[in-house]
Amino acid sequence: AQSVAQPEDQVNVAEGNPLTVKCTYSVSGNPYLFWYVQYPNRGLQFLLKYITGDNLVKGSYGFEAEFNKSQTSFHLKKPSALVSDSALYFCAVRDIMGYGNNRLAFGKGNQVVVIP
Amino acid sequence: GAVVSQHPSWVICKSGTSVKIECRSLDFQATTMFWYRQFPKQSLMLMATSNEGSKATYEQGVEKDKFLINHASLTLSTLTVTSAHPEDSSFYICSARERGYEQYFGPGTRLTVT
Repeated sequence: AQSVAQPEDQVNVAEGNPLTVKCTYSVSGNPYLFWYVQYPNRGLQFLLKYITGDNLVKGSYGFEAEFNKSQTSFHLKKPSALVSDSALYFCAVRDIMGYGNNRLAFGKGNQVVVIP
Repeated sequence: GAVVSQHPSWVICKSGTSVKIECRSLDFQATTMFWYRQFPKQSLMLMATSNEGSKATYEQGVEKDKFLINHASLTLSTLTVTSAHPEDSSFYICSARERGYEQYFGPGTRLTVT
């Protein structure tokens, strides 16, 4: 089965500093990768995806992610963090099921805390 | 675009009763809908996948008779928690997929069983 790993539990960053949230993947075949953000007591919001094409993917709210095949990574980045970026971030990979549905396999999530 | 709603946003019920949660795709037709359960500060656990007009496919360990899923149309799926118990208290989130690979998530439903 396809899987992703988010090695850190919490990422603390000062406001205005670069933010990086790490994700590595394990897949057979071509990876279809996603980042989502979750604010307290809310559902997940789609940030960006990598299917094919440029390794640098730009998404919502100033976030971007870099697909690195040799390192099997898909780290999420933002050049200058805002306090409002404090949330739970999930990396996900398409997991193809035998019955044909494309489900998502999620990482454990990373809590990002942006310190004013 | 790609808005998914859930109703209710929170519900409190007594042990032994049943609760229905609705998931609607508001501006697109969802070929597939997914139901997740999330415990505090944890990742999402996929419960089942449903396609319009067919039976849901449940993940291993999820009781089909307890968590009834109906996907009656391309814009509506419902999850009914039958004979609810306190251990069913959780945050339930649905998502919907149109043609692409990304899923669009509802805002979630907080269920508390007393």
